[in-house]
Amino acid sequence: DAGITQSPRHKVTETGTPVTLRCHQTENHRYMYWYRQDPGHGLRLIHYSYGVKDTDKGEVSDGYSVSRSKTEDFLLTLESATSSQTSVYFCAISPGANWNSPLHFGNGTRLTVT
Amino acid sequence: GQQVMQIPQYQHVQEGEDFTTYCNSSTTLSNIQWYKQRPGGHPVFLIQLVKSGEVKKQKRLTFQFGEAKKNSSLHITATQTTDVGTYFCAGQRGLNAGGTSYGKLTFGQGTILTVHP
Repeated sequence: DAGITQSPRHKVTETGTPVTLRCHQTENHRYMYWYRQDPGHGLRLIHYSYGVKDTDKGEVSDGYSVSRSKTEDFLLTLESATSSQTSVYFCAISPGANWNSPLHFGNGTRLTVT
Repeated sequence: GQQVMQIPQYQHVQEGEDFTTYCNSSTTLSNIQWYKQRPGGHPVFLIQLVKSGEVKKQKRLTFQFGEAKKNSSLHITATQTTDVGTYFCAGQRGLNAGGTSYGKLTFGQGTILTVHP
C-alpha cells in the first residue's frame, strides 16, 4: 500500500540484542512515522520524521532510536531489546503535502523478544 | 498530555444489527480520523472530519464530529461479516498545540467488532 515496505515482517530476538527495523517508501513523502501496537493500547507513536535527518520523539520513545539518512528510508533501532518491546511495529507515511494528511500504514513487523 | 478514549473496547453483534463506537478527546481537536484494521492486517484510513458538527457518510457508515470538536462517533447500519475488524479513531491537535511542525495524532484504543452470521 502506498509504496511502503517494512522489513523484516517477523523477527524473534533475544533480550539484550540490538534490532533494526526498516521502512522503505517509493514516493518521496516527507513525513514518516513509527508506531507500535499492543492490545488495549491502540497505536502509539514511537518516533517520527519530517525530512532527511529531521526526527523527533513520540509518546513512547524510550529504548528506541531512529535514523533517516535518505528520504525513502526510515530505520527504527532497539539498542538493547527487552521483552516489553515485543509488539507489532507499523511504519506509516503521510502522503499529502500538509501536516494533517491521513496516514498510510505498512504491513507491519511482528517482533518477539525472548 | 492529550488522551483519546474510545468505547466500547469490544462489540459482538449479529449480522444485520447496527454498531456504534464512540471517541472522546481530553482536548479540542483540529480534526479526527477513523481507521479500520482487519484481523492480521494494517490500519487503513477511512475518513477525516474537520468541521464542528460535521457528518459524513460512506455507504452504511456514518461518521460524526461533535460541536465542540472533542468527540466523534462511527455508526454502521446493518452490519455485515465484511465489517469485522478493529476501528480506531485518531485525534489530531493543531500545529501550534505541540510547539512543533507536527500536529500530534493520538489514537484511541480501538473497538474490536465481531459479527456473527
